[in-house]
Order: sequence, then C-alpha cells, then structure tokens
Amino acid sequence: DTAVSQTPKYLVTQMGNDKSIKCEQNLGHDTMYWYKQDSKKFLKIMFSYNNKELIINETVPNRFSPKSPDKAHLNLHINSLELGDSAVYFCASSQGYRGNTEAFFGQGTRLTVV
Amino acid sequence: AQSVTQPDIHITVSEGASLELRCNYSYGATPYLFWYVQSPGQGLQLLLKYFSGDTLVQGIKGFEAEFKRSQSSFNLRKPSVHWSDAAEYFCAVGPGNFGNEKLTFGTGTRLTIIP
Repeated sequence: DTAVSQTPKYLVTQMGNDKSIKCEQNLGHDTMYWYKQDSKKFLKIMFSYNNKELIINETVPNRFSPKSPDKAHLNLHINSLELGDSAVYFCASSQGYRGNTEAFFGQGTRLTVV
Repeated sequence: AQSVTQPDIHITVSEGASLELRCNYSYGATPYLFWYVQSPGQGLQLLLKYFSGDTLVQGIKGFEAEFKRSQSSFNLRKPSVHWSDAAEYFCAVGPGNFGNEKLTFGTGTRLTIIP
C-alpha cells in the first residue's frame, strides 16, 4: 500500500489551462503539505494543512488553491497555468506539524506547461 | 529565519569508497535535523533524523550523521557506497515547537557512483 499517493504522476498542459493534482495519505496523519521542486531541485513549501485547516501559506500566487476535504486528502488546483509553473510538485504528510515531525512524501507530479 | 546550506552541488565517488556529504544550518536554538534521499523519478525518503541525545545517529541503508553544534553541521556519512546510493540527498531543518513551523531544505547534493 502506498502511504502518500499523488495523481497524476505526469501532467502536460497548455498555458492558460486549469489543472488539479490530487493527494491521498493512508497513514492516519493529521497534517499534509504541498512542496514545489524547481528545475534546480530546490524544494520549497507552498501550503500546509492540519486537520483540514490551513496553517502555512507561503508566498504563492493566488492561482494556486489547495483544498482539503478531509484529513486524508489535500488537492492542489492551479488556474491559468503559466510556463513558470513547470516543476515537480510533492505532497507530504506528517503527524503533527512541529519541527520534530517526520514528513512522508509522495512520488511527485511532474507538471510541464507548454 | 532558519536556513540550510549544502556546499557540494555534485559529488562523485567510486563504488566501495567512503562518503561524506556536508550540511550546515543556521538557527538560534537546537534544531531538528533530517537527511532525505531522492532517487531518480521518486519522492523523498527519510534516511535519518536528529532531535536530541546522542549526536551520532544511525539511519537506514547504512548511513549515519553526526550533529556538531560548535560547527553548526550535520554531515552525512557512509563507510562504503553502493551503486544504488546514486541519488540526490537533501539536508533539512525543522526549527522547533513554536508557531507554524516548516521544514526547510538545503539545495541538495547529487551523488554519482562510478564503478
């Protein structure tokens, strides 16, 4: 059983389109995250939800909107996609969100905007 | 604000040789430190973590890391690398138990193994 699963694994789309990435975790964790990894492999947190409530919202364009229907799911919707949105997006989960919690990562979604 | 520096962008070692990947952090108090590995096309997997106590921590796949407060370092080591260790390695810091915390990653070190 995959602990943190994301779909799709690859996503190629045109500029201006709207797309969603889904994430589910079966670890029973109460906190979920979205990270963006750019072409230089730099990982940066975008959002974090604890018990379905937004707790971290980094400086991310309004075109990105996370939604957490329940503790096990955190989806990422992106409007009006731009070339600069091309990256690998990782979902992660943890139990709690303090500094000493281990995050478990999904396999990533490679988004290519053309 | 906390930060993590991995000075080596790319390291190449021979199979069977020893390995040390460097990580330096900046934080005012005792940090929580992590090493993650990312194999090609995969997500990140936790290798080991340091929260407190013994400054030498053992992880999976034969890796270990040593926390040195005086040097603000948390270097990752392995006595003998295997070809399957070729991957990207990330050091990360989780800064504490107050407020809305977040895991901050270094820029990663790509490890290449040559026969």
